[in-house]
Amino acid sequence: GAVVSQHPSRVICKSGTSVKIECRSLDFQATTMFWYRQFPKQSLMLMATSNEGSKATYEQGVEKDKFLINHASLTLSTLTVTSAHPEDSSFYICSGGQGGFSTDTQYFGPGTRLTVL
Amino acid sequence: SQQGEEDPQALSIQEGENATMNCSYKTSINNLQWYRQNSGRGLVHLILIRSNEREKHSGRLRVTLDTSKKSSSLLITASRAADTASYFCATVHGSSNTGKLIFGQGTTLQVKP
Repeated sequence: GAVVSQHPSRVICKSGTSVKIECRSLDFQATTMFWYRQFPKQSLMLMATSNEGSKATYEQGVEKDKFLINHASLTLSTLTVTSAHPEDSSFYICSGGQGGFSTDTQYFGPGTRLTVL
Repeated sequence: SQQGEEDPQALSIQEGENATMNCSYKTSINNLQWYRQNSGRGLVHLILIRSNEREKHSGRLRVTLDTSKKSSSLLITASRAADTASYFCATVHGSSNTGKLIFGQGTTLQVKP
C-alpha cells in the first residue's frame, strides 16, 4: 500500500515556540492531505483539509492562524503550530489519498507526538 | 464534530474468541471504513464498505452495513493477542467531494492470551 511518513515522530518544545510537522507521501502523489489531532484515549478530530497549491480548509473551531498549513507540492504538506501552549500537546496525524476520494482509501502517517512544556 | 458512536467503548476477550464492535452514524454516507490503531501509533486501514454494499469480508474480518439503521459492525473472528488495539469506524459524507473522514469514538479491544 501507499506510504505516508511524518517528521518528527516526537517533539518537545517550550511554551511560546513554533513547531513544524512534515507529512510526506513517499510513493504516490497526494492532491489532498488531511490533518488530524488526537488527545489521549480519544478519537481523531479532523483539523483541516490541505489541497496542493491552495489554501487549507479548516474545520470549525480550529484557528487557522495558530495552525498554519502549507501544501506546496503533491508529496509534502506541513503543519506549523505557532506559539505553542501546553494545551496544544497532542498526537498529530496526517493522511493522504490518491484521488477519487469518494471511493478511495486514505493512507495515514505514523503520527507526531507534540509535548509543550 | 464526530459523526459516529461506537460500542462498546472497551472490550476484553480471550484469545480465540470473536470480537464484535458496532458503529452508528448520523448522516447519509458514501462509504464507511474501519481502521485499527495500536497504542501511540498511526492508523491502519482495515476495510472499506460502500453505501450500496451490505457485507464485506477480509481474512478474519467481517463488516456489515445497514444504511436503514445507519449502523455498521466489525467482527473479528478467532481473535489473537496481536489484535489488541483501538478500532475506529470512519465515514465519508454522502455529498462529500473531498473524501473527508469523520471518525467514531473508537472501541478499545484487549485480547488476552
